[in-house]
Amino acid sequence: KNEVEQSPQNLTAQEGEFITINCSYSVGISALHWLQQHPGGGIVSLFMLSSGKKKHGRLIATINIQEKHSSLHITASHPRDSAVYICAVRPRYGGATNKLIFGTGTLLAVQP
Amino acid sequence: NAGVTQTPKFQVLKTGQSMTLQCAQDMNHEYMSWYRQDPGMGLRLIHYSVGAGITDQGEVPNGYNVSRSTTEDFPLRLLSAAPSQTSVYFCASSYSQGTKTYGYTFGSGTRLTVV
Repeated sequence: KNEVEQSPQNLTAQEGEFITINCSYSVGISALHWLQQHPGGGIVSLFMLSSGKKKHGRLIATINIQEKHSSLHITASHPRDSAVYICAVRPRYGGATNKLIFGTGTLLAVQP
Repeated sequence: NAGVTQTPKFQVLKTGQSMTLQCAQDMNHEYMSWYRQDPGMGLRLIHYSVGAGITDQGEVPNGYNVSRSTTEDFPLRLLSAAPSQTSVYFCASSYSQGTKTYGYTFGSGTRLTVV
């Protein structure tokens, strides 16, 4: 079983819809990252969370440390949001390193 | 522009050839790492470095070497390329203070094909 699980693996939405992508992990963590990767593109960091909630524009990320779960929400989705969204955690057992463990990603397609 | 610069963006190698993927950052981050991304799998750590002169193996180190002679540069060497090393490679950097991690930044990736 992977230490970081994302759901769904694939998601198709209509423009304007509210989107939720989930991430569950099984290890103690010091931080969780949400990343975005456009097709054939590089990886961009959207959020880093260790507790609570963060918002940037139409994107909202939440984390529940007790339940080992995080969600990424996209409000008023747009075709330009189409990308792979990746959850990654920094395990507490990593010590002085900044090693991340990655989920396999959620492929989001937003149709006009 | 500040960030992580990876070169080349694309490369085709023949089996048995060697090459070096370059990675440089200008943010004075002490932590740098190399990942490979394969279809259906999460990014996997190849090698990492917590500072100049210090490197260590990640999850999938076989067939790769690294060195960290300066804070800025962290090249990845493929010693004798194999088709199984066909992948997209990402370099990343970050820094931390105590248990807090800051500024995880990725390069734009190198798409490598070994024929």
